[in-house]
Amino acid sequence: EVQLVQSGAEVKKPGESLKISCKGSGYNFIYYWIGWVRQMPGGDLDWMAVIYPGDSTTRYSPSFQGHVTISVDRSDSTAYLQWSSLKASDTAFYYCVRRTGVAASFHFDHWGQGTLVTVSS
Amino acid sequence: EIVMTQSPATLSASPGERATLSCRASQSITNNLAWYQQKPGQAPRLLIFGASSRATGIPVRFSGSGSGTEFTLTISSLQSEDFAVYYCLQYNNWLTWTFGQGTKVEIK
Repeated sequence: EVQLVQSGAEVKKPGESLKISCKGSGYNFIYYWIGWVRQMPGGDLDWMAVIYPGDSTTRYSPSFQGHVTISVDRSDSTAYLQWSSLKASDTAFYYCVRRTGVAASFHFDHWGQGTLVTVSS
Repeated sequence: EIVMTQSPATLSASPGERATLSCRASQSITNNLAWYQQKPGQAPRLLIFGASSRATGIPVRFSGSGSGTEFTLTISSLQSEDFAVYYCLQYNNWLTWTFGQGTKVEIK
């Protein structure tokens, strides 16, 4: 069974750094793109970034480029999302997602349980 | 950037009724569209991909249709567990995705 298990909720202050994680299991981690989706308090979903664990190729949404960094540890089947300087507007749920390997259909087929990040002074 | 617009924002219906949700793309995305269901406190769950293919384990009362710019998710007979928020997702361009803003299906 494919599972994406994320790290727990975080409470941070503006300007602080943060790294959240997502551990994949039940499939060959290095062969599937894995990424992050933000869900704002109002419900809107936004794709942020993806990475291919096989060679660490990354792709960022223009909306998030330069503000977050995606990375992966192949030895531990874990993907990461990190911020160097959080803002209050980063308060949201963050979901880890796996892109399907089905030919010609590149949707997200599995989701992690979500990590709530709260940024408040 | 492809913009996805869902309608209505909220759909009020009774158990047993048919529900029809719409998703429109700002440009053609052929059939590169998925639908997700999200219940309170849970992650979204894949229902439909390729505009009309049901994901594993999804009941047959859920069906998807459309191509190009107009897409529909139909729930043939609403069950109590179907009251949730539904999102569409386009994946027409390489490594680029856009979600719709969601439709809430609530009990009438």
